[in-house]
Amino acid sequence: EDKVVQSPLSLVVHEGDTVTLNCSYEVTNFRSLLWYKQEKKAPTFLFMLTSSGIEKKSGRLSSILDKKELFSILNITATQTGDSAVYLCAAGGTSYGKLTFGQGTILTVHP
Amino acid sequence: DVKVTQSSRYLVKRTGEKVFLECVQDMDHENMFWYRQDPGLGLRLIYFSYDVKMKEKGDIPEGYSVSREKKERFSLILESASTNQTSMYLCASSPWTSGRYEQYFGPGTRLTVT
Repeated sequence: EDKVVQSPLSLVVHEGDTVTLNCSYEVTNFRSLLWYKQEKKAPTFLFMLTSSGIEKKSGRLSSILDKKELFSILNITATQTGDSAVYLCAAGGTSYGKLTFGQGTILTVHP
Repeated sequence: DVKVTQSSRYLVKRTGEKVFLECVQDMDHENMFWYRQDPGLGLRLIYFSYDVKMKEKGDIPEGYSVSREKKERFSLILESASTNQTSMYLCASSPWTSGRYEQYFGPGTRLTVT
């Protein structure tokens, strides 16, 4: 059975801190690792990673995939209150684009 | 921009009622998905469809069925609603057949069964 586990489950920081969110996965015929941000609405797509060691960056957010150790991290630098959200990690194999999601990490950024 | 819409944002139904949740996407994606999201459990896949009239069970299909008569529309049906089906329901579509794995989500339907 495919499985994605995120840690920590929740995190409280202050503005300006740097955070690291973790995601480990076990997915048959793995093809891709995705990160989503969910505020009080539907998840919005952040990154997709398919190759090890390639760091994806978008402003203050960056992510790395390690296909040997089967994990990914999402880094957020200089956090802002607008970064408060649930961050979801998902892994996909070759089966019709199905994704298996982790439980999510609830990030709270205090001013 | 991909747009995925769902028929209702909030829905209240009684136990035993038949419930229809509709989802429409405008990007000509082959693949569509229905999830439910519950606190502490993340998103769990109920059913997905990879083409018109084609459907596959996900991880938690019991108590649900789906219909895909047109490419842009994917419906989730609760045959006889029960209180344990109170949840947030999210629909998604994906350009997977183009080699891309990202899924785009609708705004969600918060269903309460009383």
